Amino acid sequence: EVQLLESGGGLVQPGGSLRLSCAASGFTFSSYAMSWVRQAPGKGLEWVSAVSGNGGSTYCADSVKGRFTISRDNSKNTLYLQMNSLRAEDTAVYYCAKGGSAAAGTRSEYWGQGTLVTVSS
Amino acid sequence: QLVLTQSPSASASLGASVKLTCTLSSGHSSYAIAWHQQQPEKGPRYLMKINSDGSHSNGDGIPDRFSGSRSGAERYLTISSLQSEDEADYYCQTWGTGIVVFGGGTKLTVL
Repeated sequence: EVQLLESGGGLVQPGGSLRLSCAASGFTFSSYAMSWVRQAPGKGLEWVSAVSGNGGSTYCADSVKGRFTISRDNSKNTLYLQMNSLRAEDTAVYYCAKGGSAAAGTRSEYWGQGTLVTVSS
Repeated sequence: QLVLTQSPSASASLGASVKLTCTLSSGHSSYAIAWHQQQPEKGPRYLMKINSDGSHSNGDGIPDRFSGSRSGAERYLTISSLQSEDEADYYCQTWGTGIVVFGGGTKLTVL
């Protein structure tokens, strides 16, 4: 059974940093792309960033480019999102998602339960 | 620019069928898409992939009353024998090299 467990969310001040983690199990982690998708309160889903199965390709949305960095540790079956220079508009539930293939540009086939990030002073 | 357009809302009666639409932007009519369901206060759940030829494959545990199809740049999600638990937000998703896009979502009300 595929399981994705996010952690690391919380309250942070504007301009601050946070690192999210996603522990994966139930599949061969290195064979699949992984991504982060967020959902602001009362809003729709917004793709944030994706990484290929081997970690060699990473992509991110323009809204977070230069501030957020996605990475993965295939030896630990864990996905990360380093978030710097956080803004109020980054407040959202952040979901980890397993891709449908190894390529970074792919559908989200399984979802975690999400972790809430609140950016406020 | 790769964009997905969905109607904000839809409604149908208990036991009936409903067809939700997701439209790909001009120049992207051959793209595959995925459909996701998000029930109130829950995380999203992957429903299916619709390939460029219109064939679809359901995700693990998704019943056959959820089906997909296409016509040109439009991709459809049909839900038959509507149940109360089908009341949810439905999102379409597509992807390309270096990009992933979600539609704005359709809120389905089961009457």
